[in-house]
Amino acid sequence: KQEVTQIPAALSVPEGENLVLNCSFTDSAIYNLQWFRQDPGKGLTSLLLIQSSQREQTSGRLNASLDKSSGRSTLYIAASQPGDSATYLCAVIRSLGSGSARQLTFGSGTQLTVLP
Amino acid sequence: NAGVTQTPKFRILKIGQSMTLQCAQDMNHNYMYWYRQDPGMGLKLIYYSVGAGITDKGEVPNGYNVSRSTTEDFPLRLELAAPSQTSVYFCASRSAGAHEKLFFGSGTQLSVL
Repeated sequence: KQEVTQIPAALSVPEGENLVLNCSFTDSAIYNLQWFRQDPGKGLTSLLLIQSSQREQTSGRLNASLDKSSGRSTLYIAASQPGDSATYLCAVIRSLGSGSARQLTFGSGTQLTVLP
Repeated sequence: NAGVTQTPKFRILKIGQSMTLQCAQDMNHNYMYWYRQDPGMGLKLIYYSVGAGITDKGEVPNGYNVSRSTTEDFPLRLELAAPSQTSVYFCASRSAGAHEKLFFGSGTQLSVL
């Protein structure tokens, strides 16, 4: 059974700092991995999706890497801003048999606070 | 630009009551999902659907039922509400293909007292 762990559970940094969020998973047979942002009382917003054949994806100040062999992914946030404060979740995706059915297993998230 | 719409946003139920959480998407996605999120935890899959008329159980299906009569709608039914079903419920959808990003609704916060 796939287990996804995110450490730390909470992180507080001063504005402008670069930071790394970690995601580890136990089963390396994944289809892809997705990072999400969740604001309080809101749904999840997709940030980056890394396919299993890729090593990293970039969007603006965000960079996500994937190392399947070690079961790890990192989300790097450059020059953090107070608006980046949110909970960040990673989800590991695997195929469910034939066709396009997929199963996502979520980590419990890292709650990030960027202090002005 | 509606995306995934969930109703209601909040609901309080008494033990034993029933209710239906509504979910609709306007992106013509085949795949739809229901998740629950408990405080400090990740999301757990309740049910999913790969297209109209096809549904299947996820990790935590007990106490819930779903139907998928149209591509757009995927309601979640609680028949006999229990305190253990107090949670935030999220509906999500995605398209098939290489860029399989998941789109989420804003959630329904349910309390069973």
